[in-house]
Amino acid sequence: GENVEQHPSTLSVQEGDSAVIKCTYSDSASNYFPWYKQELGKRPQLIIDIRSNVGEKKDQRIAVTLNKTAKHFSLHITETQPEDSAVYFCAAEDVVTGGGNKLTFGTGTQLKVEL
Amino acid sequence: EPEVTQTPSHQVTQMGQEVILRCVPISNHLYFYWYRQILGQKVEFLVSFYNNEISEKSEIFDDQFSVERPDGSNFTLKIRSTKLEDSAMYFCASTAQGRGNTIYFGEGSWLTVV
Repeated sequence: GENVEQHPSTLSVQEGDSAVIKCTYSDSASNYFPWYKQELGKRPQLIIDIRSNVGEKKDQRIAVTLNKTAKHFSLHITETQPEDSAVYFCAAEDVVTGGGNKLTFGTGTQLKVEL
Repeated sequence: EPEVTQTPSHQVTQMGQEVILRCVPISNHLYFYWYRQILGQKVEFLVSFYNNEISEKSEIFDDQFSVERPDGSNFTLKIRSTKLEDSAMYFCASTAQGRGNTIYFGEGSWLTVV
């Protein structure tokens, strides 16, 4: 099955700086890679996703890059704001015979944006 | 925007008791899921359900667990003989189609086993 590793586990940045979170995955057949933001006690919220037919995707201050050859993908947040503080999870979709969207999550990055 | 809804939001149960967590997936979605998240840890896949049967399950989803779609709208997770280590947030989710589709999570049901 899929294995996803995520770094760093904690990240502290100054407001206005950029934050980068990196993930690697093991199954070269995986084609879908979402990123989730989770605030304490809340559900994971999808912030951006990328599919393997593109190498980069951007949505305002958030961007994701994917390197299929190296099997890694990264989340980039620019101009960070205090409300960006949360836990961020990367995920990769397992290839399963039964169909459906089975995600393997990374271990999460606690992002703290300091004033 | 349509949402996945879950009940209860929080349940406390005695060890050894049975628990049923309920979910209403988004109405036109075809695939339903349960994930769980132990406090401070990552989200883990439990099971996927399609066309009234389990399509995939993880090693966590053993005989203690079962899922059911008792009617046209509800999707339930039953945990028999709960253990302390079952304490976690359980998220229901759904997708319109299968692989590669955006997964929509419910707000979660926080289960505490004492």
